[in-house]
Amino acid sequence: DGGITQSPKYLFRKEGQNVTLSCEQNLNHDAMYWYRQDPGQGLRLIYYSQIVNDFQKGDIAEGYSVSREKKESFPLTVTSAQKNPTAFYLCASSIADRANEQFFGPGTRLTVL
Amino acid sequence: RKEVEQDPGPFNVPEGATVAFNCTYSNSASQSFFWYRQDCRKEPKLLMSVYSSGNEDGRFTAQLNRASQYISLLIRDSKLSDSATYLCVVRPNTNAGKSTFGDGTTLTVKP
Repeated sequence: DGGITQSPKYLFRKEGQNVTLSCEQNLNHDAMYWYRQDPGQGLRLIYYSQIVNDFQKGDIAEGYSVSREKKESFPLTVTSAQKNPTAFYLCASSIADRANEQFFGPGTRLTVL
Repeated sequence: RKEVEQDPGPFNVPEGATVAFNCTYSNSASQSFFWYRQDCRKEPKLLMSVYSSGNEDGRFTAQLNRASQYISLLIRDSKLSDSATYLCVVRPNTNAGKSTFGDGTTLTVKP
């Protein structure tokens, strides 16, 4: 089955630790995205990548880092510099065209204790 | 002012009711528009794209008004299963790939 997967579903970390969230897609999509969603709010763009080995900052990139070494994978690292990391993180992918829909993974709920 | 704004909701309606949501956007150069549905604690899923001429999919109708810079979603004959949060999404007219999401409108359909 084609799709986009994120792991783990739930993640707990101590304050001050870096943590990496996984995102993999087998849809052959060029573009991939990371969003953050806080309770009662919409999605805010952290980083996006339109092609392998290239990525751009979104609206709230501070405290986060990404890599795009393979077309299928777009991991997100939440660093200790991110002041409020507890949130629901969603990864998405799309054909690299502005008119196309984004497909989302099931998300990772990160809780920093 | 936010780039994409939605009716704050929540909307609580009885089964069978017709309900409409609006979404306004500030960037007049926006090119593509979508409505996504998000169930509680789940990922958003595409409900429908919004075309300039308006489009319908069963009980759902989407409209775009470029002059007033808003899109709308009309749900007829509401079902209990329509209860969810509806997100408005706007994409630019460049290949920047950057979509902007509204905060969502929550709909609860009651028996």
